[in-house]
Amino acid sequence: EADIYQTPRYLVIGTGKKITLECSQTMGHDKMYWYQQDPGMELHLIHYSYGVNSTEKGDLSSESTVSRIRTEHFPLTLESARPSHTSQYLCASGRLTEAFFGQGTRLTVV
Amino acid sequence: AQTVTQSQPEMSVQEAETVTLSCTYDTSESDYYLFWYKQPPSRQMILVIRQEAYKQQNATENRFSVNFQKAAKSFSLKISDSQLGDAAMYFCAYRMLQGGSRLTFGEGTQLTVNP
Repeated sequence: EADIYQTPRYLVIGTGKKITLECSQTMGHDKMYWYQQDPGMELHLIHYSYGVNSTEKGDLSSESTVSRIRTEHFPLTLESARPSHTSQYLCASGRLTEAFFGQGTRLTVV
Repeated sequence: AQTVTQSQPEMSVQEAETVTLSCTYDTSESDYYLFWYKQPPSRQMILVIRQEAYKQQNATENRFSVNFQKAAKSFSLKISDSQLGDAAMYFCAYRMLQGGSRLTFGEGTQLTVNP
């Protein structure tokens, strides 16, 4: 079982609220990723990091932001949540030969 | 840019039978990794099998095996002796050998296993 954790598992929040999705891993991986999984189940990379103080935007444009102050921690923040942000968010960390995924956060913005 | 295509949104198989899930990809790279991930209803993605492009031998992991055709850019997953626990969404994924190791996923195939 992979040592990567996401909290919360489920979140229902009102429009305009600021939220932070947490992701932590205890495997010492430099590389970490955030994927957005839409209702059709396809995954899209929205952010990634190759190490502390390194963050890049992914393939899918997202209004969220990320930070990487510590190796083990890669939180994702939405400054003002909107219904269009409703989705499943998956965090991953890994090495070249394998990526480990968290259990995901199901976000619903009402 | 690399793309991964899974042309079968849904597949079904009888328990104990064999099923093959298809995946094609497009890349200009010669060295890369290909993966099959499984996402059961619990939603945590789990690695099923991995193939290095420089290896001609097809990867095998217990009941799971791949048919890797590099020239055709095809990477299918065969599940033998299907079990009820195999029911999940299966994603094919690609990763370059160089340049940061980002995974590019296909659209996914929902596999149903019928008792």
